[in-house]
Amino acid sequence: EAGVAQSPRYKIIEKRQSVAFWCNPISGHATLYWYQQILGQGPKLLIQFQNNGVVDDSQLPKDRFSAERLKGVDSTLKIQPAKLEDSAVYLCASTVGPTYEQYFGPGTRLTVT
Amino acid sequence: KNQVEQSPQSLIILEGKNCTLQCNYTVSPFSNLRWYKQDTGRGPVSLTIMTFSENTKSNGRYTATLDADTKQSSLHITASQLSDSASYICVVSAGNDMRFGAGTRLTVKP
Repeated sequence: EAGVAQSPRYKIIEKRQSVAFWCNPISGHATLYWYQQILGQGPKLLIQFQNNGVVDDSQLPKDRFSAERLKGVDSTLKIQPAKLEDSAVYLCASTVGPTYEQYFGPGTRLTVT
Repeated sequence: KNQVEQSPQSLIILEGKNCTLQCNYTVSPFSNLRWYKQDTGRGPVSLTIMTFSENTKSNGRYTATLDADTKQSSLHITASQLSDSASYICVVSAGNDMRFGAGTRLTVKP
């Protein structure tokens, strides 16, 4: 069974630039999560999708972050414009349902200079 | 306020030794508690999941315990190997709400 795929693996941008991350969850997983993990900390939930609907985006900085999952499969997370404090690893996870085990992708390491 | 506190923040042990990592939580109402292993540059991988009625669960050399009364969990690693070097993250769920600890960074030295 293929795991959660993310791309790119690494990205370096200057502040005020835009960036987008892509996630392909495990086939059949209806629930998809995006997390931000700052160095030395645990992951922080940014947004949770159930199919193509948003379940929880309470911690998503909506003035600069956006995410979509148009067909209920792949998802993209965008930051526009980026700030220095956005430097982190962005993890995508998927699960069959909200109370089931989450499977994480390898993450995208973003460095904002 | 983080409702999941892990200790120690970091730990260095010699290969072959045992160690115990701690997780205290105030998340309520409790649904389940998971321990994840996160290798450098990779996403977390689940080690164990425990529900309210479970006191202990093993996965190879990893044994997790849960005391729901005191809201404490521990992860015991037996006969450590170099490949155990990683961050270990405790995650407590309250329904659909998942709270992550900051993790314990374990380094196993030869």
